[in-house]
Amino acid sequence: GDSVTQMEGPVTLSEEAFLTINCTYTATGYPSLFWYVQYPGEGLQLLLKATKADDKGSNKGFEATYRKETTSFHLEKGSVQVSDSAVYFCASASGLRGYQKVTFGTGTKLQVIP
Amino acid sequence: ETGVTQTPRHLVMGMTNKKSLKCEQHLGHNAMYWYKQSAKKPLELMFVYSLEERVENNSVPSRFSPECPNSSHLFLHLHTLQPEDSALYLCASSQDRGGLYGYTFGSGTRLTVV
Repeated sequence: GDSVTQMEGPVTLSEEAFLTINCTYTATGYPSLFWYVQYPGEGLQLLLKATKADDKGSNKGFEATYRKETTSFHLEKGSVQVSDSAVYFCASASGLRGYQKVTFGTGTKLQVIP
Repeated sequence: ETGVTQTPRHLVMGMTNKKSLKCEQHLGHNAMYWYKQSAKKPLELMFVYSLEERVENNSVPSRFSPECPNSSHLFLHLHTLQPEDSALYLCASSQDRGGLYGYTFGSGTRLTVV
């Protein structure tokens, strides 16, 4: 079956540091890929997505590029802020349109310290 | 405002109680989902409704009973729960079944079974 693997957390960074959270996937066909963010006490929010190879999703300074050759979708941000502290989930959706299965990674907790 | 509203936000119930969780969306989405999020475990898909029809039930115990009276509302009826059912219950919706364009999640109901 499909799977999504994220780097283990927690990740602790100082404010303004560069962020990378690794994500790799296995899936049949060509999945759509997503990053979701979950702030404390809240549900998940869609952060960005990419639907085909070489697409770059971006939002709020975060970026991720769909790399088919390495089956990866790493999340990056050039300069993190304390307000970025949250849990980040990578996810894939694959299968026939209208019948896709969504697979979530286990989440990576990010803590940004001032 | 996420577009998906869940009530209540917090619920404490005894093992012999009956309670219901409510989810509401007015995004015009056609699919709705219940997920369970427990500490240290991946997100667990419980139920999927597409156009008000239950299309997926992932071996969830019968003490959880979903109901989808229309495309905007989703309920999760709970009875005779166990302490291990304590978790964050998340409702989500998507334009079509499978979440090709991503999910919109509610803020969740934090359930504690005592």
